[in-house]
Amino acid sequence: GQQLNQSPQSMFIQEGEDVSMNCTSSSIFNTWLWYKQDPGEGPVLLIALYKAGELTSNGRLTAQFGITRKDSFLNISASIPSDVGIYFCAGRSLTSGSARQLTFGSGTQLTVLP
Amino acid sequence: EAGVTQSPTHLIKTRGQQATLRCSPISGHTSVYWYQQALGLGLQFLLWYDEGEERNRGNFPPRFSGRQFPNYSSELNVNALELEDSALYLCASSRSGRGSYEQYFGPGTRLTVT
Repeated sequence: GQQLNQSPQSMFIQEGEDVSMNCTSSSIFNTWLWYKQDPGEGPVLLIALYKAGELTSNGRLTAQFGITRKDSFLNISASIPSDVGIYFCAGRSLTSGSARQLTFGSGTQLTVLP
Repeated sequence: EAGVTQSPTHLIKTRGQQATLRCSPISGHTSVYWYQQALGLGLQFLLWYDEGEERNRGNFPPRFSGRQFPNYSSELNVNALELEDSALYLCASSRSGRGSYEQYFGPGTRLTVT
């Protein structure tokens, strides 16, 4: 099945710093999504990307759909304590046909130090 | 607009029993997806229902099954529970047509098998 490699696995940063994480796949994807999950809760959709090269922002968050269509990036600027959580990338492969389920990365655990 | 709801919040069962988990999608969404998230791991796709039909299933044994009702709510049944079934079970919903790859998650049901 499809696999997504998400890195880094975990990050410890100081409040106010910028954060970058990425996701790569072995096949071409036509949709990339980024989610954030707080402990004991369901993932919350942050950003959706549909076109290669697309750059989309949501407040301090910016995500990009890679030109090769095999990767995506998420940046968080000026991190704050409430940014703590697990960030997941998710995507849909071009070869999925009519299937709409998503493939998820393994997550990036973000810790923001005061 | 109400989000995706799931019940119960927590469920404790013993090995060999059956568990039933419920999900109500966002109003207007016709697709429901079920994912399993074992502790510390990513989301694994279980089942996808759309318009009352099972459209796709992940790499899980047949004892994981479910259905979607005419009001688009859904049930996940897990028979002959095993210890390794202990996990957070997440339900997500999406609309059909444009933007149908954007899935919105409920808070999850924490299933513990003893």
